[in-house]
Amino acid sequence: SQTIHQWPATLVQPVGSPLSLECTVEGTSNPNLYWYRQAAGRGLQLLFYSVGIGQISSEVPQNLSASRPQDRQFILSSKKLLLSDSGFYLCAWSVQGLEPQHFGDGTRLSIL
Amino acid sequence: AQSVTQLGSHVSVSEGALVLLRCNYSSSVPPYLFWYVQYPNQGLQLLLKYTSAATLVKGINGFEAEFKKSETSFHLTKPSAHMSDAAEYFCAVISAGNQFYFGTGTSLTVIP
Repeated sequence: SQTIHQWPATLVQPVGSPLSLECTVEGTSNPNLYWYRQAAGRGLQLLFYSVGIGQISSEVPQNLSASRPQDRQFILSSKKLLLSDSGFYLCAWSVQGLEPQHFGDGTRLSIL
Repeated sequence: AQSVTQLGSHVSVSEGALVLLRCNYSSSVPPYLFWYVQYPNQGLQLLLKYTSAATLVKGINGFEAEFKKSETSFHLTKPSAHMSDAAEYFCAVISAGNQFYFGTGTSLTVIP
């Protein structure tokens, strides 16, 4: 069966520090991969999605970037974190086609 | 463009009462629709999906949803609320272009 791993579960970082969140999927090949951010008490904001290695689409201009160095690995990064980057970050995957997305457990990021 | 609208950002029901969470979609073609549940500090979990087969879809945890084309609705129901149903619920639609669109979410409170 397919599983998705996202880490760390929680992270506290100072303003201006770098960021790297990692997400890996097991049990499937060539998945679509997604990064979402969820601000406190709010809905999901799609940040990036990828349909293949090295293929990244950005949905909103921001302080973050994403990379997909391997088929089942998706990384969210920042060179310098801002206070506004605080939130709950969710990674998700889906197979190609009209199929649902499946989510990781999320990373709670707090910027001090 | 496809979208979903969730009416009511907060819904409160008594334990044992009917749960009704509303979702309307806008689509020019028959959509694929989904309901997700999110417990605090967790990722989203797929509750059920509609993929143009039966209009009444049964999901996990006793939830079901009915696709009504004439009303462009896909409301989520459960006959008897349980305390463990307290969570955030998201409706989602996927377009023919494989774009996922999430609603803004409905927070369900169950009153003992």
